[in-house]
Amino acid sequence: QKEVEQNSGPLSVPEGAIASLNCTYSDRGSQSFFWYRQYSGKSPELIMFIYSNGDKEDGRFTAQLNKASQYVSLLIRDSQPSDSATYLCAVGSSNTGKLIFGQGTTLQVKP
Amino acid sequence: GAVVSQHPSWVICKSGTSVKIECRSLDFQATTMFWYRQFPKQSLMLMATSNEGSKATYEQGVEKDKFLINHASLTLSTLTVTSAHPEDSSFYICSARFQGRETQYFGPGTRLLVL
Repeated sequence: QKEVEQNSGPLSVPEGAIASLNCTYSDRGSQSFFWYRQYSGKSPELIMFIYSNGDKEDGRFTAQLNKASQYVSLLIRDSQPSDSATYLCAVGSSNTGKLIFGQGTTLQVKP
Repeated sequence: GAVVSQHPSWVICKSGTSVKIECRSLDFQATTMFWYRQFPKQSLMLMATSNEGSKATYEQGVEKDKFLINHASLTLSTLTVTSAHPEDSSFYICSARFQGRETQYFGPGTRLLVL
């Protein structure tokens, strides 16, 4: 079992729809969770981080965390073609302090 | 805030030469920097963790004598790829974080092509 798992996609949604990206992790001791966006040919950029169970909203983005079920998700409302990218889920390791990255989910927003 | 730069952004070199990549935190002091490598269509692969003033910690399978890392100050870490070969061609990305925080901020990356 991979430490951080994401569906590689591609996830295709029409413009204006809600995109839902999911991530599961194996380290029950993890306390920090991150979503990064990576455009093709570019480096990752931080979108959001979340530490507590529940929802955290920032503009069109909402991160959701459920530690009991060991999953974290990212919702993108009113999806735009410019949101088309690979979204990386990262989980803070309880042992090493490093971030463990998932393989990423490719999102395609079609006009 | 939390801007990380890398230099150069692109480098092409001949096989057998060494290449140095710089990673700088521009507006904060980074006690820890990380070096990643990413091949096309693949996810990030952590190569090493660099702490200011101490030796880097390398991930399993990463040759420390080939990928030399120096973190001489709180704002600068360097990665030197020694005796580069075509299989070292990749996208090298650094990240930095504040002391006591886990959030990593990434630099723009350096594309290395070894001919």
